[in-house]
Amino acid sequence: DADVTQTPRNRITKTGKRIMLECSQTKGHDRMYWYRQDPGLGLRLIYYSFDVKDINKGEISDGYSVSRQAQAKFSLSLESAIPNQTALYFCATSDWIQGNGAFFGQGTRLTVV
Amino acid sequence: SQQGEEDPQALSIQEGENATMNCSYKTSINNLQWYRQNSGRGLVHLILIRSNEREKHSGRLRVTLDTSKKSSSLLITASRAADTASYFCATALDSSYKLIFGSGTRLLVRP
Repeated sequence: DADVTQTPRNRITKTGKRIMLECSQTKGHDRMYWYRQDPGLGLRLIYYSFDVKDINKGEISDGYSVSRQAQAKFSLSLESAIPNQTALYFCATSDWIQGNGAFFGQGTRLTVV
Repeated sequence: SQQGEEDPQALSIQEGENATMNCSYKTSINNLQWYRQNSGRGLVHLILIRSNEREKHSGRLRVTLDTSKKSSSLLITASRAADTASYFCATALDSSYKLIFGSGTRLLVRP
């Protein structure tokens, strides 16, 4: 099983619909992140969380919300999807105190039509 | 604007040559990390260098960090076609554990 699992892997949704992207991890890490990737723009941070009681906005949180249901689960919601939210979304976990970097899920390709 | 900016945006080299990518950042960091991404897949961590370190090696990878210039470089020696990918630097901010990525360098290694 993958260390960081994202569901769904691909999704096409209509403008105005609410959609949830889910992420679960088996690494036991406290820190979890949501990023979006657009061509040529690298990864931009949407939200990050240090534990179930700690949620922080990233660079581009408008139009998104998150829920940290447990240490291992971090969900991203688009309340009312719009076409410019079409992107590749990544969940990641980290624990760099041990000198390791972040572990990424395989990504969710979201298309808003 | 993003914390980390990579240079060059794209690099094309012959197999066996060395590839150097640079990253500049703006604010104080706890550490700097380099990642690789193959064609729209998840990123893979390559190496982490802490703010009190100046150089680090891992196999064919060599990373340097100059905190006075707020810059880092990634050197891949004796490149292979399989090194073709996008490479990203990411800065872990000193105060908040934010992990901010740059826009990446696309590396093409020609056989």
